Amino acid sequence: TQLLEQSPQFLSIQEGENLTVYCNSSSVFSSLQWYRQEPGEGPVLLVTVVTGGEVKKLKRLTFQFGDARKDSSLHITAAQPGDTGLYLCAGAPVRAGNMLTFGGGTRLMVKP
Amino acid sequence: DARVTQTPRHKVTEMGQEVTMRCQPILGHNTVFWYRQTMMQGLELLAYFRNRAPLDDSGMPKDRFSAEMPDATLATLKIQPSEPRDSAVYFCASGLGPKTGDTPEAFFGQGTRLTVV
Repeated sequence: TQLLEQSPQFLSIQEGENLTVYCNSSSVFSSLQWYRQEPGEGPVLLVTVVTGGEVKKLKRLTFQFGDARKDSSLHITAAQPGDTGLYLCAGAPVRAGNMLTFGGGTRLMVKP
Repeated sequence: DARVTQTPRHKVTEMGQEVTMRCQPILGHNTVFWYRQTMMQGLELLAYFRNRAPLDDSGMPKDRFSAEMPDATLATLKIQPSEPRDSAVYFCASGLGPKTGDTPEAFFGQGTRLTVV
């Protein structure tokens, strides 16, 4: 069982649709990060959320950190083919120092 | 522009051979992570260094894997002897972790794709 559970694991949608992916845990995190990974590359950091209840926007992407700092969500509005990739959440549980662990990822495909 | 550099990008080796993967972290970063990525397991943390000292390597099979930082500009991950189940993409990431409790933001290299036949 992974410390960070992501859902759904796979998502295939048409261009223009909206979607939400989730990252859940039973542990409390000081912060959570979201990364996107494209084929043949390493993950690239998108955002870090730090405060419980925090909402951050990055163009068409909206990130939210749960009030209890145990979960996070990523919402994409009007998805585009360029959003295709593997979305990963990551964090270090409060009691685990700085050991950055990743969820299993959500593989998103946006069809034109 | 600053990036994490990993070599080699691809490695095919025979079972039983030694494999060494190298990583040059971003200059000034004090935290280095080694991860292994497979379709089945996702990204698994193997080892973690802060200021060149190993802080955690509990995710690493100790009998065959070893990780070191000979100096601040080089991190190595060695597998000896290699086995087919070690086939995966190995990523190095570096970051700046200034304070206890802060989670460093990780900057990843492009990975080493290892195939053990």
